[in-house]
Amino acid sequence: LAKTTQPISMDSYEGQEVNITCSHNNIATNDYITWYQQFPSQGPRFIIQGYKTKVTNEVASLFIPADRKSSTLSLPRVSLSDTAVYYCLVGDTLTGGFKTIFGAGTRLFVKA
Amino acid sequence: GAGVSQSPSNKVTEKGKDVELRCDPISGHTALYWYRQSLGQGLEFLIYFQGNSAPDKSGLPSDRFSAERTGGSVSTLTIQRTQQEDSAVYLCASSHPPGEPPERLQYEQFFGPGTRLTVL
Repeated sequence: LAKTTQPISMDSYEGQEVNITCSHNNIATNDYITWYQQFPSQGPRFIIQGYKTKVTNEVASLFIPADRKSSTLSLPRVSLSDTAVYYCLVGDTLTGGFKTIFGAGTRLFVKA
Repeated sequence: GAGVSQSPSNKVTEKGKDVELRCDPISGHTALYWYRQSLGQGLEFLIYFQGNSAPDKSGLPSDRFSAERTGGSVSTLTIQRTQQEDSAVYLCASSHPPGEPPERLQYEQFFGPGTRLTVL
């Protein structure tokens, strides 16, 4: 499984755009990139998934360069409620289930 | 429909006792995962099931840990002779089976609320 590297923590203020970058140099051809969000005392929750270029949904955008060795999760106009841990995962979606490496994640603090 | 449920929500036990943690996945999800999360740490993968089979058990920390799944649904994680270092939140997740309509996100895992285990 491809190893991922993320910053340990980030600070931001309400209303700002936050970009969290994840490195995955050993990503394989069949691997997709997935981001999860975890609030305290809750299980992680799926945010967004992509393979290449840009993906956008109602919550976030995911930017993936052509070489796919990194990806950037973009959260527009964050609020206090976006304070959470964000995990980047890389893996093959076709199997439907496999050993999943979440890593330590990025702890985002949004301040008023 | 109902999400992933886990029971108990909290479990306090004495060192050396056995505990069983239960996970009820979302109906129709063939893949089921167990993770462990210590306070302030990331998720540690333990095991996953595809149907009733567990292709990869390498994440189980020791032979005191075991898991089973019956009928392709409910799963039980058993920890024998618990130790204080077993104290953590144990999370279960399930996901859609492979081969579902391509527009579905096959890898999306739906997590339960977790079981907080405290070993005294």
